[in-house]
Parts: sequence; structure tokens; C-alpha cells
Amino acid sequence: TQLLEQSPQFLSIQEGENLTVYCNSSSVFSSLQWYRQEPGEGPVLLVTVVTGGEVKKLKRLTFQFGVARKDSSLHITAAQPGDTGLYLCAGPNAGNMLTFGGGTRLMVKP
Amino acid sequence: KAGVTQTPRYLIKTRGQQVTLSCSPISGHRSVSWYQQTPGQGLQFLFEYFSETQRNKGNFPGRFSGRQFSNSRSEMNVSTLELGDSALYLCASSLYGTGFYEQYFGPGTRLTVT
Repeated sequence: TQLLEQSPQFLSIQEGENLTVYCNSSSVFSSLQWYRQEPGEGPVLLVTVVTGGEVKKLKRLTFQFGVARKDSSLHITAAQPGDTGLYLCAGPNAGNMLTFGGGTRLMVKP
Repeated sequence: KAGVTQTPRYLIKTRGQQVTLSCSPISGHRSVSWYQQTPGQGLQFLFEYFSETQRNKGNFPGRFSGRQFSNSRSEMNVSTLELGDSALYLCASSLYGTGFYEQYFGPGTRLTVT
């Protein structure tokens, strides 16, 4: 079974600070996705990374896929209260079923 | 275009009862997947239906079942409810399926079993 571990589990920061969230596995994934989930809603896809070493930017969010395709990170620059939410990484396992990490709950205080 | 809709949004049931949840995917999407989300176990894959056929199934007991209709709408059923079945049940639709492809999630159905 391919597992994804996310760290930290919880993060509380002040507006304007930078942060990095990690997603690690002992297995190789063909791709990884990052989602954000807000209270009362379903997860929303932020990005899909496919190539080892790939870096994708989405405004203040930078996503990186490890060279060995076993890990990924999400870096947020100058966090804003609107970034508050649950960040989830996910990857397809055997049979193409999506496996999710445990999530990082981020709170950005104004 | 309209997003994924799930009904009902909230549900309270008693142990031993059964429940049926409904999901309407985005128009044109043929794949519907179901997930269970709990504080302890996180988001776990239940099953995926594509063009009325179950294509994948997660590691859940047989009390959890589903089906998909010709219009791609899907239902999931949980029989003989247990307290541990209390969770947020999410449905996601996609053009091609799970894994690499983009999935659009509904807001979920919050099930409480007492």
C-alpha cells in the first residue's frame, strides 16, 4: 500500500509569513496532486505535478515534486487569511485509486 | 456550468439503519468516485463508477455499496449502520476517472450515526 505522510499536521501563522508543507512517501508516485479544502466544502484541486523535479507556481503558491517522485512540497509566500484551510496531497496507487495524505490544517491570522 | 451536487447535505441515522446518499456529477462527466472523510482516518477512497460500471473499489466492508445510472448520477448505500460510519461522504466527478485526472468534489453529505 502506498502511503502519503504530510507534515506538519497543524500550522498557525501570522499574515505575511512564509510557510512550507511537506508530503512524503516511501513509494514512487507517477504524479501527485495538491488540494485545498475549506470548511463545509469539498477539496478543490490546486495543481498536479508529474515530472520528477518539476516546479509549478500558482500566484503565491509554489509546488515542487521531488526528483525521485517520492515527495512533494507546497510553499506559500506572504500568507493571507484567505489561504486558511486544509491542504491535502494525493497520488494514484495501483489500480489508479487516489490515496490522500492526512492533511495539513493551516490557519493564517490577520 | 453547475458543479457537483450531493443530497442530502446532513443526515442523522440510528445504528442498524441503512442510508442512501445521492450525487449528481458535472454534466458530461462519466466518472463518479466516492470518498469517506473522518478526523481519524482522513480521506479514504470508497469506489469509482464509470459508465454505470464499478471500476475500482477501496478497502471497505460490503455494507458499503453504490451504483451509477445511465445519466451518470450515482448513489451510495450503507447498510446496518455503525457508529464508526459517522463521517463526511464526498463525491467527485471527472471526465475520465481518478488518479491523474482532475476531479471535482461536491460539498459532501455529513452523516451522523447515533
